[in-house]
Amino acid sequence: DQQVKQNSPSLSVQEGRISILNCDYTNSMFDYFLWYKKYPAEGPTFLISISSIKDKNEDGRFTVFLNKSAKHLSLHIVPSQPGDSAVYFCAASVSGTSYGKLTFGQGTILTVHP
Amino acid sequence: SQTIHQWPATLVQPVGSPLSLECTVEGTSNPNLYWYRQAAGRGLQLLFYSVGIGQISSEVPQNLSASRPQDRQFILSSKKLLLSDSGFYLCAWSVQGAGELFFGEGSRLTVL
Repeated sequence: DQQVKQNSPSLSVQEGRISILNCDYTNSMFDYFLWYKKYPAEGPTFLISISSIKDKNEDGRFTVFLNKSAKHLSLHIVPSQPGDSAVYFCAASVSGTSYGKLTFGQGTILTVHP
Repeated sequence: SQTIHQWPATLVQPVGSPLSLECTVEGTSNPNLYWYRQAAGRGLQLLFYSVGIGQISSEVPQNLSASRPQDRQFILSSKKLLLSDSGFYLCAWSVQGAGELFFGEGSRLTVL
């Protein structure tokens, strides 16, 4: 049972434009959401997170939006840069004792063309 | 600052051979520790997590085991590898009570 889904395996964007990566979840207990970026043969690096008490969180070029009623979150990257090309994973957890036990989506490969 | 290291980076092992992957964290004490696996074309799956020395929780039944002999050391083992154990293994740590995980560089295991 895939509790966190990233339905787009890949996304191609022109440099300078907006990249929008989407993620859906089914477990209504999830209340903390994260995005990670991963280059080949490296471990994922943390990008940005959002708690369920918020619907938006910004950090520089990265903004995460959370729609709790739709059980949907998205990551916006503006403007996109070639160095953003990587695999992006969304992840979710239940705060409290399960805080660090993240459930990951399958990942979306983002390619930003110069 | 905190750092996490895992080794070896790459491993090719025959079916039926043993496995030992090691992970150490520096610059923090009493971290939560995790082993994740990324199989080909799939997301990251949590295998084990530990909230303290000797405390291991397994998330999925499998051919692997984990141990935490010291506060900042986490070991993933197998007595006899299967072909299905191939994948990219990631060690991670987090502060107790926080959600962000910080990952190591990963270990690529190929079982032939």
